[in-house]
Amino acid sequence: KAGVTQTPRYLIKTRGQQVTLSCSPISGHRSVSWYQQTPGQGLQFLFEYFSETQRNKGNFPGRFSGRQFSNSRSEMNVSTLELGDSALYLCASSLVLAGTWDEQFFGPGTRLTVL
Amino acid sequence: AQKVTQAQTEISVVEKEDVTLDCVYETRDTTYYLFWYKQPPSGELVFLIRRNSFDEQNEISGRYSWNFQKSTSSFNFTITASQVVDSAVYFCALSKLSGGYNKLIFGAGTRLAVHP
Repeated sequence: KAGVTQTPRYLIKTRGQQVTLSCSPISGHRSVSWYQQTPGQGLQFLFEYFSETQRNKGNFPGRFSGRQFSNSRSEMNVSTLELGDSALYLCASSLVLAGTWDEQFFGPGTRLTVL
Repeated sequence: AQKVTQAQTEISVVEKEDVTLDCVYETRDTTYYLFWYKQPPSGELVFLIRRNSFDEQNEISGRYSWNFQKSTSSFNFTITASQVVDSAVYFCALSKLSGGYNKLIFGAGTRLAVHP
């Protein structure tokens, strides 16, 4: 069974640009969550999508947005990039069968560098 | 507000030593989940354990054991007879029991280096 895949794995952008990151969850998983990992702030929750709807959101500015498609694949977008957006962006998927907890499986991440 | 504190930034041990990673949490919720994850150099977070706030029973899984003490808001992780493969960053995390159990609040992590 394939794991969570994230594309691209590495990305270099310049300030002011925008970027889109992609996450393909494990087949059958319906929830996708996004996290930002930086040396200064650590691991921080961005948002979670379930059945194409955002159902949880972290404390990030509106420049950070996401969406989920009908096949559960998710994208996150960051507009007007700032140097501080340089980070490892991790995606996690979980099954969510009956509203109870299911293990989250994390992808390898996309490392974004903003110059 | 929810908060997870891992006071140990880095720990260095020699193989076969036992090591305990500390985790202290804060939450106003009466029900919650606690987790430990491992992050090897490859970057993926690997789930190790989940505990809900109802269950203070300690757990042992091979060389790993966890001690959950609600009275001190702690959820410590012990590796017995450490091995080089245990070298990684370990994160403790907290989430709500319902309506947000996938929204994990992570501690800063503890980097464990196990030397041969």
